[in-house]
Amino acid sequence: DAGITQSPRHKVTETGTPVTLRCHQTENHRYMYWYRQDPGHGLRLIHYSYGVKDTDKGEVSDGYSVSRSKTEDFLLTLESATSSQTSVYFCAISGTVGGPYEQYFGPGTRLTVT
Amino acid sequence: GQQLNQSPQSMFIQEGEDVSMNCTSSSIFNTWLWYKQDPGEGPVLLIALYKAGELTSNGRLTAQFGITRKDSFLNISASIPSDVGIYFCAGYNAGGTSYGKLTFGQGTILTVHP
Repeated sequence: DAGITQSPRHKVTETGTPVTLRCHQTENHRYMYWYRQDPGHGLRLIHYSYGVKDTDKGEVSDGYSVSRSKTEDFLLTLESATSSQTSVYFCAISGTVGGPYEQYFGPGTRLTVT
Repeated sequence: GQQLNQSPQSMFIQEGEDVSMNCTSSSIFNTWLWYKQDPGEGPVLLIALYKAGELTSNGRLTAQFGITRKDSFLNISASIPSDVGIYFCAGYNAGGTSYGKLTFGQGTILTVHP
């Protein structure tokens, strides 16, 4: 298994509160990604990082921000959580020589916004 | 943006039967990947395909990269109960703003009856 951990694994929070999810890798991979998974929508990319301090938006980035201050950690922040952000969030990493296409996923964080 | 159509959306089969699923796109991809997701866990990479026409096996799983580069197929032979899960296809195209991003299909939910 790729060395990816996510914390917390489960979280319940109230609308309007800030939330930060953490992804930690021990593989020294260059690329890191945050996805959300919802029924009927599959996996949708929120943000990704192609190096320390280098990030870019995915297809559903509104309401989310990210930071990557060191190779092993990629943080996803919901500045003011809304019920529509209730979802399962997955972190992924990649770094195969020659391309970032083989992504390996963490165990997920189930977030409920009440 | 790019979209992948994965079919069927769900399958109910008897143990021992073979399974086929496919993914089609309106765009060309350079790489096709197939993932499996068990309940409550993150997707796990099963097979990666890098060349049009390529046929690759992983145990009872066989995947093919379509000649047109717009489709891919996954077959599972002699299914067993632990094959239950959601199977995702993903395409990668290393060009322009798509660099580093996978496009995922909606998933095929596989149920295997003992």
